Amino acid sequence: EVQLVESGGGLVQPGGSLRLSCAVSGFTSSSYSMSWVRQPPGKGLEWVANMKQDGIEKNYVDSVKGRFIISRDNAKNSLYLQMNRLRVEDTAVYYCARDGLYGGNPHWGQGTLVTVSS
Amino acid sequence: DIQMTQSPSSLSASVGDRVTISCRTTQSISSFLNWYQQKPGRAPRLLIYSASTLQHGVPSRFIGTGHGTDFTLTITSLQPEDFATYYCQQSSGPVWTFGQGTKIDIK
Repeated sequence: EVQLVESGGGLVQPGGSLRLSCAVSGFTSSSYSMSWVRQPPGKGLEWVANMKQDGIEKNYVDSVKGRFIISRDNAKNSLYLQMNRLRVEDTAVYYCARDGLYGGNPHWGQGTLVTVSS
Repeated sequence: DIQMTQSPSSLSASVGDRVTISCRTTQSISSFLNWYQQKPGRAPRLLIYSASTLQHGVPSRFIGTGHGTDFTLTITSLQPEDFATYYCQQSSGPVWTFGQGTKIDIK
């Protein structure tokens, strides 16, 4: 069974950093493109970043470029999102998701809440 | 980046109604369009990918059509469990984007 479990969320002050983790089971994360998607409280979904199977190609939405870094650890079968210089507007539930072979995200974690506030 | 316009933002409907949601992109994305359902407090659920292919386990009352810049999700006969928020997503190119969402509530 495919499972994705996020962790690492919490309360952080503006300008601070946080690293989210996504532990994967039921498949090998390095065999798939993987994404992070976020959802501010009461608002819609926003795609944040993805990493291709090659581990080299990484893509980011403009609002996080230069601040967030997506990475993975093949030995731990885990995906990460390093978030630096956090802003109030980064407050959201962050989901990790496996990308489908033909598009979309068929598998999602339960999400982890990041709150950026002083 | 490719922008999405999803409409309507909300609608009220009754069980058994036929419902249509539209999604338009600022440039052609061929068939790289996906549809999701999300219920409060839950992760999104992929319904349709590649514009018209039903994800495994999704009921056949969900139909996706379109190509290029104009896409539609149709629910042919709304069921009680279909009251939720629906999102389109384009997966063409390196940066993906979601539509703003359409909330379906009970009339």
